[in-house]
Amino acid sequence: KNEVEQSPQNLTAQEGEFITINCSYSVGISALHWLQQHPGGGIVSLFMLSSGKKKHGRLIATINIQEKHSSLHITASHPRDSAVYICAVRNTGNQFYFGTGTSLTVIP
Amino acid sequence: NAGVMQNPRHLVRRRGQEARLRCSPMKGHSHVYWYRQLPEEGLKFMVYLQKENIIDESGMPKERFSAEFPKEGPSILRIQQVVRGDSAAYFCASSSLSSGSTDTQYFGPGTRLTVL
Repeated sequence: KNEVEQSPQNLTAQEGEFITINCSYSVGISALHWLQQHPGGGIVSLFMLSSGKKKHGRLIATINIQEKHSSLHITASHPRDSAVYICAVRNTGNQFYFGTGTSLTVIP
Repeated sequence: NAGVMQNPRHLVRRRGQEARLRCSPMKGHSHVYWYRQLPEEGLKFMVYLQKENIIDESGMPKERFSAEFPKEGPSILRIQQVVRGDSAAYFCASSSLSSGSTDTQYFGPGTRLTVL
């Protein structure tokens, strides 16, 4: 069993839809990252969370430490949001674990 | 205001050769992380370095792989005697604070290594 599990693995949405990607982890963490990887392969760090909620533009990330769960929300989705979204955690021993990613396709 | 730079972007090696991957962190960043993404797999942590120190190499294969981050110059990930299974995308990230703090990491574009 992976230390980090993401769902869904694949997601197709119509432009404008509200999107949620979930991440559950099984280790104690010091921080959780949401990353975006575009088809060209480049990786962008979207958020780093250790508690609560962060918002950047149309993206919102939340984390519930007690439940060991985080969600990434995209409001008013757009085709340019199409990418793989990766959840990554750093445990209290400073080791890193990555989810296998959620492949999002937003259709115009 | 350059971001994290990696070179080369693409590297082709024959089995048994050496591969050297370079990572220049963002200006002002003294912490570097290396990750590997095998084909059809997720990212895996390899090593975390500060200037002249390896902090955590728990994700590095025990043989053939080494990493350094000298006082001057880029961080180097070195793979000796490459094998086909080393073919992957290697990403570098940098941050300004230690991994124990809440500072985000900035990723480079990656080096795609192909071993023939």
